[in-house]
Amino acid sequence: DQQVKQNSPSLSVQEGRISILNCDYTNSMFDYFLWYKKYPAEGPTFLISISSIKDKNEDGRFTVFLNKSAKHLSLHIVPSQPGDSAVYFCAAKDRGQGNLIFGKGTKLSVKP
Amino acid sequence: EADIYQTPRYLVIGTGKKITLECSQTMGHDKMYWYQQDPGMELHLIHYSYGVNSTEKGDLSSESTVSRIRTEHFPLTLESARPSHTSQYLCASSPPYPSLNEQFFGPGTRLTVL
Repeated sequence: DQQVKQNSPSLSVQEGRISILNCDYTNSMFDYFLWYKKYPAEGPTFLISISSIKDKNEDGRFTVFLNKSAKHLSLHIVPSQPGDSAVYFCAAKDRGQGNLIFGKGTKLSVKP
Repeated sequence: EADIYQTPRYLVIGTGKKITLECSQTMGHDKMYWYQQDPGMELHLIHYSYGVNSTEKGDLSSESTVSRIRTEHFPLTLESARPSHTSQYLCASSPPYPSLNEQFFGPGTRLTVL
């Protein structure tokens, strides 16, 4: 059973507008959440993260929001740029072993 | 900037062959990982290591094996490749405590078994 879910396989956004990528999780023992970006034929690269004790973390155009009561987090990209087009993976860190559990990813397309 | 390398980047091989996927990192990270990923699917952890002489199985059962004789090197071996092993294999490492939340990934090896 999936512990980290990204229910939207794809998202298309116009350049300059906001992109919102969503992620849901089921395990209350996750203590850290991360977003990775992946281009085809490359490995994932770390984008932004948030501790479970916070509800928001911002880094330039990227903001991650965490709603613990809803077990939901989201990544906001504003303004979106064509270079942001990639697959975005949500990941959660298990408090025990410290390993990451990934969602299936959302493919973002930013159109000029 | 993460320095983690994987070779080969692409490999097409026949059924029954033995293969070794190489992974090296120059950051001195103790913890290293191997993931398997199919298109449109999540990354599945198949092996990890806490350091030299440590190897653990991940969440996804795999017929592959790993070794960790040196800190910087974490190779993955398939004794007899099968078409079901066709996938992308990603190696990663993470810095020591307290910054061990992030993992740095290599570029991956795309394996095709005919």
